[in-house]
Amino acid sequence: EVQLVESGGGLVQPGGSLRLSCAASGFTFSSSDMHWVRQGAGEGLEWVAAIGRGGDTYYPGSVEGRFTISRENAKNSLYLQMNNLRAGDTAVYYCARETPDTTTAGWYFDLWGRGTLVTVSS
Amino acid sequence: QSALTQPASVSGSPGQSITISCTGTSSDVGAYNYVSWYQQHPGKVPKLIIYDVSDRPSGVSNRFSGSKSGNTASLTISGLQAEDEADYYCSSHTSSSTLVFGTGTKVTVL
Repeated sequence: EVQLVESGGGLVQPGGSLRLSCAASGFTFSSSDMHWVRQGAGEGLEWVAAIGRGGDTYYPGSVEGRFTISRENAKNSLYLQMNNLRAGDTAVYYCARETPDTTTAGWYFDLWGRGTLVTVSS
Repeated sequence: QSALTQPASVSGSPGQSITISCTGTSSDVGAYNYVSWYQQHPGKVPKLIIYDVSDRPSGVSNRFSGSKSGNTASLTISGLQAEDEADYYCSSHTSSSTLVFGTGTKVTVL
C-alpha cells in the first residue's frame, strides 16, 4: 500500500527540541521530493520544509535556522529536526510527497500522511 | 512570506457555481503558473484538485476549474454538490524558492 506514516510528535516545552519521522512505503522513496506541511488547530496549511531527491533543502523564513529536514533513503524515511520550539509551532505536522509528474516543476502534493501532533507548552 | 489571501467563506446552493479567489503578489502568484488548489474535508488530509493553475489530476471532477489573472488565481466549482462542502486552500511557488499557502476558504452548500 502506498502510504506515509508520521511519528515523533508530543508535548515539549518552549525552547525544547523534537524530531519527527515519516515512514514511506509502496513507492520509490529515493526518487521522490518530500515536504513537511503543518496545520494548527482550526487553522490553515503552512509549508514547513522541502528536500529534493539529491538532498537540496528549502525552508520558509519562519523556521529557517531552527528546523532541519533530512532523509535516509535506505530506510525509506524522512525526518524533521525541530529546535528552539515556540508556542506558534504547535500544529499537526504532515509528511507529503511531491507529485512525481514530470510535466510540471511545481510543488504539488499527491500523497499525505495522517499527521503527528506537536504541542509546545509549559 | 505572507499567506495568500482568500475569502474566509463562500456559499452557494446546489447546482450553482461559486468562485474562490486567491490573491498574492508579483513574487508568487503573479510570477509563476505554479498555482494549485487543495480540498480538505473535516478531519481529513488535503486533496490536490488543481495544479499548474488549471490542470486537474486524474480522477478529479471536471466541475472544478482554475484560472489566473495577474496576481490573483481563482477556483470555480460548477454544479455545486453537497460533497463539495469543505475547506479549500490555494498555494503558489515563490521567487524565494519556497511555497506559500492561502488563508483558506470554507465552502458551505446551502
